[in-house]
Amino acid sequence: KQEVTQIPAALSVPEGENLVLNCSFTDSAIYNLQWFRQDPGKGLTSLLLIQSSQREQTSGRLNASLDKSSGRSTLYIAASQPGDSATYLCASGGQQPGAAGNKLTFGGGTRVLVKP
Amino acid sequence: SQTIHQWPATLVQPVGSPLSLECTVEGTSNPNLYWYRQAAGRGLQLLFYSVGIGQISSEVPQNLSASRPQDRQFILSSKKLLLSDSGFYLCAWSGGWSEAFFGQGTRLTVV
Repeated sequence: KQEVTQIPAALSVPEGENLVLNCSFTDSAIYNLQWFRQDPGKGLTSLLLIQSSQREQTSGRLNASLDKSSGRSTLYIAASQPGDSATYLCASGGQQPGAAGNKLTFGGGTRVLVKP
Repeated sequence: SQTIHQWPATLVQPVGSPLSLECTVEGTSNPNLYWYRQAAGRGLQLLFYSVGIGQISSEVPQNLSASRPQDRQFILSSKKLLLSDSGFYLCAWSGGWSEAFFGQGTRLTVV
């Protein structure tokens, strides 16, 4: 059974500092890995999707890397802003061979606070 | 573009009452649909998924059921709610193995 872990559970940084968020998973037979942002009381906003054949994806100030062999993904957020304060979740997808659909296994999330 | 709608946003229900949460997707056809629950201190857990009309798979035994009466409609139901059913319920869709998109969620409090 896939297990996804995110450490640390919470992180506080001053504005302008780069953020590094870690995600590890126990079963490397994943089809993709997705990063989400969740604001308090809200749904999940998809940030980046990395397919198993890819090593990284970039969108603006966000960059996510994937190392399947070591079971790790890292989300980098450059030059953090107070508006980046939120909970960030990673999820491994499509882990079961032959299973239809992109069933996601989530980590517990990292709660980020960017101080002005 | 595709959008996903989920309602109601919040719901307070007494123990033993029925439940019906609805989710609809626009702008795509034959999506894979999912219900997740986010309980305090327990993270997000997949409850049900559907790859087509009338096709429902349950991931965990529970007091809830799901139905997909139309291609882009997914319903989460219960005949009698328990206190343990409280949580934040999220509907999501994806096209095959691709990116998953989530609705804004329903906060359910069973009292």
